[in-house]
Amino acid sequence: AQSVTQLDSQVPVFEEAPVELRCNYSSSVSVYLFWYVQYPNQGLQLLLKYLSGSTLVESINGFEAEFNKSQTSFHLRKPSVHISDTAEYFCAVSEGGSYIPTFGRGTSLIVHP
Amino acid sequence: ETGVTQTPRHLVMGMTNKKSLKCEQHLGHNAMYWYKQSAKKPLELMFVYSLEERVENNSVPSRFSPECPNSSHLFLHLHTLQPEDSALYLCASSPDFTYNEQFFGPGTRLTVL
Repeated sequence: AQSVTQLDSQVPVFEEAPVELRCNYSSSVSVYLFWYVQYPNQGLQLLLKYLSGSTLVESINGFEAEFNKSQTSFHLRKPSVHISDTAEYFCAVSEGGSYIPTFGRGTSLIVHP
Repeated sequence: ETGVTQTPRHLVMGMTNKKSLKCEQHLGHNAMYWYKQSAKKPLELMFVYSLEERVENNSVPSRFSPECPNSSHLFLHLHTLQPEDSALYLCASSPDFTYNEQFFGPGTRLTVL
């Protein structure tokens, strides 16, 4: 069975600084990978996903994540964050053939002015 | 209304009360899900419904009782809950249960006194 590890519970960063949110997973089969974002008082929204093809995937608001099979990682990055990026970020993985993703504990991104 | 809606948004109940959470999706999806979100813990999948039939039940205590009268509506009936059941309860939907991406509602914040 797959598991997801988000090592950082909280990541504080100043506005316009770069940020990386780490995600590692354990699985012995092919996987689909996701990042969801949860803004205060809202549900989760899909930020980006890797299903197949290019290992670098991008979102419309400047985030990107790279699938690294050898390191079983799917870290989320943004070169310059905004105050509005303050939110909880969840990494999720589903194994090929499984329909339900397993979620990590979440990383709270706090952007300071 | 668009997307996935949940009512009420906040609920406070005593341990002897009976209450229900409601979820409605306006996306034409055939699968619906209940998740429990506790602070700094991974999302816990509770129930999965596909075309109004329950396809997964992750060992949830019987004090939680789901109901799916049609593919657009999902209920979670609550009875004699415990304080540790206090959490954010999230509803989600997807086109069908083999589709990896899920669309979440804003959640119901439940407090059990």
